[in-house]
Amino acid sequence: GAVVSQHPSWVICKSGTSVKIECRSLDFQATTMFWYRQFPKQSLMLMATSNEGSKATYEQGVEKDKFLINHASLTLSTLTVTSAHPEDSSFYICSAAPGRISYEQYFGPGTRLTVT
Amino acid sequence: GDSVTQMEGPVTLSEEAFLTINCTYTATGYPSLFWYVQYPGEGLQLLLKATKADDKGSNKGFEATYRKETTSFHLEKGSVQVSDSAVYFCALSSYYSGGGADGLTFGKGTHLIIQP
Repeated sequence: GAVVSQHPSWVICKSGTSVKIECRSLDFQATTMFWYRQFPKQSLMLMATSNEGSKATYEQGVEKDKFLINHASLTLSTLTVTSAHPEDSSFYICSAAPGRISYEQYFGPGTRLTVT
Repeated sequence: GDSVTQMEGPVTLSEEAFLTINCTYTATGYPSLFWYVQYPGEGLQLLLKATKADDKGSNKGFEATYRKETTSFHLEKGSVQVSDSAVYFCALSSYYSGGGADGLTFGKGTHLIIQP
């Protein structure tokens, strides 16, 4: 149980275009979903926290107009990277929490984004 | 702000060797501490946790003790196996919001390679 999927697993897009990444909790309802970003040999950095039906809360330094997050249902959150640039190339990981306990969050396998 | 520092990898050991991966943290208040493991192609999985000082988390032969006096949470295993090869992340949660699950602060990860 407690499986989180991400789609796509990798994507290549051209500079200036937008790309959407989906995160789904497959066998539980997620009260909260998180989006992290990971650069090579760096730690995962929390980008934003989203609760179903509410606006996402972004961490300091994360451009909310560039990284649009939609948590439309209790099993789906999407991250849209708008007007992507090469510096947005990274590994994006989502996690989903069924309740209020922080360590009970389940991670997706990640999405590799490359912007050319 | 919160931060987690863990030893850089890769760490290469022979099967049945003793493992220590160091982790120290900086946080306000009394954080909860975690070790996550990521196997190739999979999402992060919670390996063990400790929610208060002097707690010892353990799972699958791995152990870590929450040391408040040294702000450390070192991961240990007495005899590693090839199947332990993975990336290990130390992380913390400071429960800022109090109203729901919080995002985690991660270390950079340590790639562990166990040779037969």
